[in-house]
Amino acid sequence: AQSVAQPEDQVNVAEGNPLTVKCTYSVSGNPYLFWYVQYPNRGLQFLLKYITGDNLVKGSYGFEAEFNKSQTSFHLKKPSALVSDSALYFCAVRDISGTYKYIFGTGTRLKVLA
Amino acid sequence: NAGVTQTPKFQVLKTGQSMTLQCAQDMNHEYMSWYRQDPGMGLRLIHYSVGAGITDQGEVPNGYNVSRSTTEDFPLRLLSAAPSQTSVYFCASTASGSTHEQYFGPGTRLTVT
Repeated sequence: AQSVAQPEDQVNVAEGNPLTVKCTYSVSGNPYLFWYVQYPNRGLQFLLKYITGDNLVKGSYGFEAEFNKSQTSFHLKKPSALVSDSALYFCAVRDISGTYKYIFGTGTRLKVLA
Repeated sequence: NAGVTQTPKFQVLKTGQSMTLQCAQDMNHEYMSWYRQDPGMGLRLIHYSVGAGITDQGEVPNGYNVSRSTTEDFPLRLLSAAPSQTSVYFCASTASGSTHEQYFGPGTRLTVT
């Protein structure tokens, strides 16, 4: 069965420092991977995705993610964190069996400290 | 485009009551889904639809029904509300094709007493 793990419930980082939010996956075949962000009392917003090609994917708001097939990871990164980046971040994998199902991780709360 | 809309934003039900959560999208997306979000559990898929007239169960379908009579609308029905269904519910839609991201509605916060 396909699954996604986000091992950290919360990540704290100082403003201006680089940030990493971790995600590992377990799928059969080539994965379709996504990152979403949720601000308080809002729905999820798409940040970026990896489908194929370059392992470093760039997305919205200066975020990027690195796909590592050998480590089955898809960590979210940003070179310089902003206080406004504080939110809940979800990693997701798309079921490739044709059912259009997405499997989400449990989420990581990012707190950027001024 | 309004994107994905959900109504109501908030709802309080008593145990045993029934209600329908509405979801609509104006992007002509074929795929729609319902999730519930609970603390520490992430998003769990309740039901999904790959097109009008086609629905299927997700991870946690018990206690919920769906139908998809049009491309635009995908209502979620709670048949007999239970306190365990207290949650935040999100509807999402996706364009057909395997590489597309999901668009989420703003959510409905449901409390069952």
